[in-house]
Amino acid sequence: AQSVTQLGSHVSVSEGALVLLRCNYSSSVPPYLFWYVQYPNQGLQLLLKYTTGATLVKGINGFEAEFKKSETSFHLTKPSAHMSDAAEYFCAVRFGSSSASKIIFGSGTRLSIRP
Amino acid sequence: DAGITQSPRYKITETGRQVTLMCHQTWSHSYMFWYRQDLGHGLRLIYYSAAADITDKGEVPDGYVVSRSKTENFPLTLESATRSQTSVYFCASTEYEQYFGPGTRLTVT
Repeated sequence: AQSVTQLGSHVSVSEGALVLLRCNYSSSVPPYLFWYVQYPNQGLQLLLKYTTGATLVKGINGFEAEFKKSETSFHLTKPSAHMSDAAEYFCAVRFGSSSASKIIFGSGTRLSIRP
Repeated sequence: DAGITQSPRYKITETGRQVTLMCHQTWSHSYMFWYRQDLGHGLRLIYYSAAADITDKGEVPDGYVVSRSKTENFPLTLESATRSQTSVYFCASTEYEQYFGPGTRLTVT
């Protein structure tokens, strides 16, 4: 069955520390992978996406993610956390290449930043 | 401005009342979606539409009705609101990745 799992519903890091948010998926077809960020009282905003090609993708606000097919993972990282990174982060996977393909969202990870 | 908008942003209604949440997109995307977001459940798909006059159920469609007479609009109606429908509702459209509206916070008392 197709699924998306985000490990850790809440992650807390110190300002300046490495951010690592985990996402694993199960799929029988090549996945297309996304990370979204949601700030309080706002909709979801695309951070980055992987479709094909280079497995390390860079997004906005200094975030990046690496697609590891062998591990079925797409973890999100940022070398140095900033207070403004505090938000909810969602991993999403499209199972197929067309707009009609199903997208499944992970349950989200709330990132807190300690001063 | 190009984008996807939702109205109202906040709504309080009583149990049993009908309420309609509006969604409008300016890109002419074929696919549009309605999600609800609740603590502990993440985003759950209510209904989606592949084009005008084509809609289909998602994961949690009970108690909701949608229509899509025009490509740019995708209203969601709660025919008889219940407290369990208190939630934040997001509309989205897709060209490749999904673009989300700002959400409607609905409280049913």
